[in-house]
Amino acid sequence: DAKTTQPTSMDCAEGRAANLPCNHSTISGNEYVYWYRQIHSQGPQYIIHGLKNNETNEMASLIITEDRKSSTLILPHATLRDTAVYYCIVLMKTSYDKVIFGPGTSLSVIP
Amino acid sequence: EPEVTQTPSHQVTQMGQEVILRCVPISNHLYFYWYRQILGQKVEFLVSFYNNEISEKSEIFDDQFSVERPDGSNFTLKIRSTKLEDSAMYFCASKGQVRSDTQYFGPGTRLTVL
Repeated sequence: DAKTTQPTSMDCAEGRAANLPCNHSTISGNEYVYWYRQIHSQGPQYIIHGLKNNETNEMASLIITEDRKSSTLILPHATLRDTAVYYCIVLMKTSYDKVIFGPGTSLSVIP
Repeated sequence: EPEVTQTPSHQVTQMGQEVILRCVPISNHLYFYWYRQILGQKVEFLVSFYNNEISEKSEIFDDQFSVERPDGSNFTLKIRSTKLEDSAMYFCASKGQVRSDTQYFGPGTRLTVL
């Protein structure tokens, strides 16, 4: 699996958009970008994934650059409950794809 | 919304004892996984299981560990003789009916070995 690089930590004001960047410059054509988050030692929670196109669901939006070497997860209106560690992961969906977690970005939403 | 469930939420055991951690994957899922997270560290892959056999395991998953799907709903992780360093959160995950499906995680079991 390709490696990803994320900032160690970020702050965001409550109610504002949280933009979490991720670099995955060695991603290959058949690898997807996945985002999970982990709230204080709870189980990792799936957020969103994409291949080439931008994606949006009820939790977040995922913006993938045209060259696919980086992406941004957007939480449109961050709340205190969004305080968590966010993991950007690259997965080849045709495999048994064990999820390899890096250190992630620790997002603190501040009142 | 279907969820992966795990029991117990917290297990305390003495060193050298056997423990069994239980998971109920999402119904109709076919791919199953165990991960662990030592306090303050990353989530680490232990083992994947498909079609009643292990498909991949990590270096952590040594002879002390075993997995089983004893019936159509449960997926278990057994640690034969626990060590202090086995203290961690253990997460079960499951994935749907094709390899391209998304993996969903359970809430975890906190194992404390004394």
